[in-house]
Amino acid sequence: DAGVIQSPRHEVTEMGQEVTLRCKPISGHNSLFWYRQTMMRGLELLIYFNNNVPIDDSGMPEDRFSAKMPNASFSTLKIQPSEPRDSAVYFCASSLGTPVRAFFGQGTRLTVV
Amino acid sequence: EDKVVQSPLSLVVHEGDTVTLNCSYEVTNFRSLLWYKQEKKAPTFLFMLTSSGIEKKSGRLSSILDKKELFSILNITATQTGDSAIYLCAGTGGSEKLVFGKGTKLTVNP
Repeated sequence: DAGVIQSPRHEVTEMGQEVTLRCKPISGHNSLFWYRQTMMRGLELLIYFNNNVPIDDSGMPEDRFSAKMPNASFSTLKIQPSEPRDSAVYFCASSLGTPVRAFFGQGTRLTVV
Repeated sequence: EDKVVQSPLSLVVHEGDTVTLNCSYEVTNFRSLLWYKQEKKAPTFLFMLTSSGIEKKSGRLSSILDKKELFSILNITATQTGDSAIYLCAGTGGSEKLVFGKGTKLTVNP
């Protein structure tokens, strides 16, 4: 089992640019979560999907953030335009069934300069 | 809004010490509490607790849940330098969201 796969692992971009983070969940898992981790705020849930449908996006900070899950094996998190305060580690996690037990990818470290 | 609070935020001990990490939660329609360990990269799963009073154990680590008082503890006995990490607690409820606390950073010195 390859686990949750995220790409890229590191991203450095200039303020105002569009950033797209990618995630491939564990095969067969039906829930997918996007988290953002910073020193100040810890692990924050941005959005989660169940069976490819967004269930709760209340954690998405603002309209600059959007997430899609076009099929069971792929999800994207897009930031447009990016700002320095978006700098963080973004994790994708997936799980199967309930109660939820999430498996995390290795994260994408985003730096916006 | 669901909330998970961990204490202490950081802890420094010597090898061989025993530590207790605390987690309190307010989660609507509570279903389970999970503990994760995060070293340099991704959080890795340690325990899931759903029933009150039943201890989960793995080697030197153990955890227990108190659903009446809404808290959980994670114990680590005979700590080793490899136990140095951030320990994260998370709760799930009816919404199936996994809500995390800010974590406890444990440093074990030789």
